[in-house]
Amino acid sequence: GAVVSQHPSRVICKSGTSVKIECRSLDFQATTMFWYRQFPKQSLMLMATSNEGSKATYEQGVEKDKFLINHASLTLSTLTVTSAHPEDSSFYICSARDPSGGAGETQYFGPGTRLLVL
Amino acid sequence: TQLLEQSPQFLSIQEGENLTVYCNSSSVFSSLQWYRQEPGEGPVLLVTVVTGGEVKKLKRLTFQFGDARKDSSLHITAAQPGDTGLYLCAGAHTNAGKSTFGDGTTLTVKP
Repeated sequence: GAVVSQHPSRVICKSGTSVKIECRSLDFQATTMFWYRQFPKQSLMLMATSNEGSKATYEQGVEKDKFLINHASLTLSTLTVTSAHPEDSSFYICSARDPSGGAGETQYFGPGTRLLVL
Repeated sequence: TQLLEQSPQFLSIQEGENLTVYCNSSSVFSSLQWYRQEPGEGPVLLVTVVTGGEVKKLKRLTFQFGDARKDSSLHITAAQPGDTGLYLCAGAHTNAGKSTFGDGTTLTVKP
């Protein structure tokens, strides 16, 4: 099946610093990737849709200047949490759609990144 | 706004019991995915169903897509502790962007 990697898996940072999270599709090209945030024992909350070569589409209530998304290639999307604060601490998960599959809209998820802001 | 209602939200059963999780919507989807997620990890795809009325089996798991492609169910036979996790359904549309996710079902199977 399609494999999506995410790096780093865990990060601890000081308040006010910026953190970059990478999402890579390893064995397919993904024109569309998604970034989610997940709180304990809850479902996924979509933050933004990342489109290769164009600006990301953010969900309502998500600050685009705080959560910078770059999708510069067909296999890499990055999420940068700028000036992170303790309330940004969460589990961030990316996913990618494999357009070559029979059901091209199926999303494959990365393993997630646990962010802790002190 | 498209909604995908998933039930039950929490389920705690004994090993060996059977269970069913439901996802219902008023929207028609071109496909529907089921995922299982364990704590601290990303969701893992279990199955994609595409055709109305389709039934897929994955060992002790049986997935069904409604005839009208608006709803789906996941049935687990003889649940085991290893089945414990968060189960998520997601409805998708061809050539659309984001999928619609259910709120998830947290399953605990006690030995």
